[in-house]
Amino acid sequence: AQSVAQPEDQVNVAEGNPLTVKCTYSVSGNPYLFWYVQYPNRGLQFLLKYITGDNLVKGSYGFEAEFNKSQTSFHLKKPSALVSDSALYFCAVTSITGGGNKLTFGTGTQLKVEL
Amino acid sequence: EPEVTQTPSHQVTQMGQEVILRCVPISNHLYFYWYRQILGQKVEFLVSFYNNEISEKSEIFDDQFSVERPDGSNFTLKIRSTKLEDSAMYFCASTPGASGEADTQYFGPGTRLTVL
Repeated sequence: AQSVAQPEDQVNVAEGNPLTVKCTYSVSGNPYLFWYVQYPNRGLQFLLKYITGDNLVKGSYGFEAEFNKSQTSFHLKKPSALVSDSALYFCAVTSITGGGNKLTFGTGTQLKVEL
Repeated sequence: EPEVTQTPSHQVTQMGQEVILRCVPISNHLYFYWYRQILGQKVEFLVSFYNNEISEKSEIFDDQFSVERPDGSNFTLKIRSTKLEDSAMYFCASTPGASGEADTQYFGPGTRLTVL
């Protein structure tokens, strides 16, 4: 069975400072990892994904994530946070299961960026 | 940019009633999904659908649930007899199917279902 852990319910950061939202995963086989962002009363917006290759993945809105196989982690990062980045962030994983391609999500991390 | 759309945005129903949630996936996408998110909880997979049949379903997706692609554009989720615990936000998603499990799933804005 596949699973995702987001150990922090909330992350607070000052605007302009770097941010990190943590994610660890468990999956059989090679993982495919995703980050999505959810603004209030909105759907899930895709940010970035890791499939294979370079461990540092760059995505939308200046976000990036680093895949670390030995630590089974896929932390989301941004060098300089904006107030508009405040939202709920979900990490998700899937792998080759032979059918379905279901995403398993973490519980989400609320990011709050303050002036 | 193409988007997944869902209707209605909010559905209120009485316990025991049937509801149908509608989704229009991105044109030329081949795989379709339903997920749900109970208020304050994580997003949970319900079902995936490809080539007019269910590919995979979760334990949540019991006999009260069904999915259908009645025409070339719509993808529906039916709950036959709603329960209070079905109250949640329901998300539809679709993928092109070109890269298998590596495909990005694009989500609609969701339908908030409230069962009274």
